[in-house]
Amino acid sequence: DAGVIQSPRHEVTEMGQEVTLRCKPISGHDYLFWYRQTMMRGLELLIYFNNNVPIDDSGMPEDRFSAKMPNASFSTLKIQPSEPRDSAVYFCASSSTPGQYYNEQFFGPGTRLTVL
Amino acid sequence: DAKTTQPNSMESNEEEPVHLPCNHSTISGTDYIHWYRQLPSQGPEYVIHGLTSNVNNRMASLAIAEDRKSSTLILHRATLRDAAVYYCILRDNYGGSQGNLIFGKGTKLSVKP
Repeated sequence: DAGVIQSPRHEVTEMGQEVTLRCKPISGHDYLFWYRQTMMRGLELLIYFNNNVPIDDSGMPEDRFSAKMPNASFSTLKIQPSEPRDSAVYFCASSSTPGQYYNEQFFGPGTRLTVL
Repeated sequence: DAKTTQPNSMESNEEEPVHLPCNHSTISGTDYIHWYRQLPSQGPEYVIHGLTSNVNNRMASLAIAEDRKSSTLILHRATLRDAAVYYCILRDNYGGSQGNLIFGKGTKLSVKP
């Protein structure tokens, strides 16, 4: 398996522009997580899905952020409008339902977002 | 999820064992102890986890105190590739629930050649 795939790997945009980050989870995984990492706040969970349904979005900073999972193999995190304080590395992770085997989270390589 | 306390940083020499401590005095009976690490410019990766008994895998060993209020991640022979931030995380896995991973600041491990 290719692992969790994220695109783009780097994004530079100007304040006020819309930004869309994309994630393809590992095939067969039914949990998908979006995290954000900054020097100041560390690694924070933004939202997670189970079977394509958002379960907990309490970590989403504000209404400018939205996340969707239209099917089991694709998710997006959108920021509109973007602001310089949104600059961070955004990670997507996926895992399977807890069962006989440990359901570790597998992380993608991240998208480094810079908002000028 | 209960909170964990780790040293901000540690240093090790290559090919020597490393013991990374973690305190979790408010751990509940259903909390599993998880360790993830984050290599430079990469996403976190799973290292090991345990509940009560010590655990070994190909990457590391996890030693859990009898009262479960602390644990130690042991890298038996540190390599330069082990330089990373190591996170100790408690997560409730009781009944198969999907608890979230709440990352603290972790311990930044430096390995000297």
